[in-house]
Amino acid sequence: AQTVTQSQPEMSVQEAETVTLSCTYDTSENNYYLFWYKQPPSRQMILVIRQEAYKQQNATENRFSVNFQKAAKSFSLKISDSQLGDTAMYFCAFMFSGNTPLVFGKGTRLSVIA
Amino acid sequence: NAGVTQTPKFQVLKTGQSMTLQCAQDMNHNSMYWYRQDPGMGLRLIYYSASEGTTDKGEVPNGYNVSRLNKREFSLRLESAAPSQTSVYFCASSTGTGGLDEQFFGPGTRLTVL
Repeated sequence: AQTVTQSQPEMSVQEAETVTLSCTYDTSENNYYLFWYKQPPSRQMILVIRQEAYKQQNATENRFSVNFQKAAKSFSLKISDSQLGDTAMYFCAFMFSGNTPLVFGKGTRLSVIA
Repeated sequence: NAGVTQTPKFQVLKTGQSMTLQCAQDMNHNSMYWYRQDPGMGLRLIYYSASEGTTDKGEVPNGYNVSRLNKREFSLRLESAAPSQTSVYFCASSTGTGGLDEQFFGPGTRLTVL
């Protein structure tokens, strides 16, 4: 079974600083997809960024970028210029190629401090 | 365009009572999912429906049943609620075409079983 591990239950960062959230996963598949979702206090799940395993170039979305290391099975999320609105739970998720459900990590609670 | 809607938003049940959580999407998506979220556990898949007319068990199906009523609606039923089913329940949907297929989430239902 595929597993996703987020080793940092909680993190904090000063406003305007950069923070990196870690995620590792375990799979024997060669083609798959990785996602980061954000869950603010409103409880709504919001897609932050996604990456295809066969693409070596790291995905970026504005202040959010990933460091995808396929051999190490690592998919970390970097948030630059952190803002108070980034305070949320962040979930890393994995999906096989094809129409399969997401497998989520347990989440990292990020607090951005003014 | 409402996206994914869930009813109710909050519910309190007594042990042994039954209830159905309703979910509907208006994005013409093929695939729908039910997750539960517990503190420190991330989101775990209960059941999913890859397409209308099909349903499959996820990681934690015991104590639940589902019905894919039509393409839009996917309900989750608790036949005899137990305190262990106290959780936040999320419904999600996706196109079902695979690949970088974003799952869209409803706002969640907070269920307490006394």
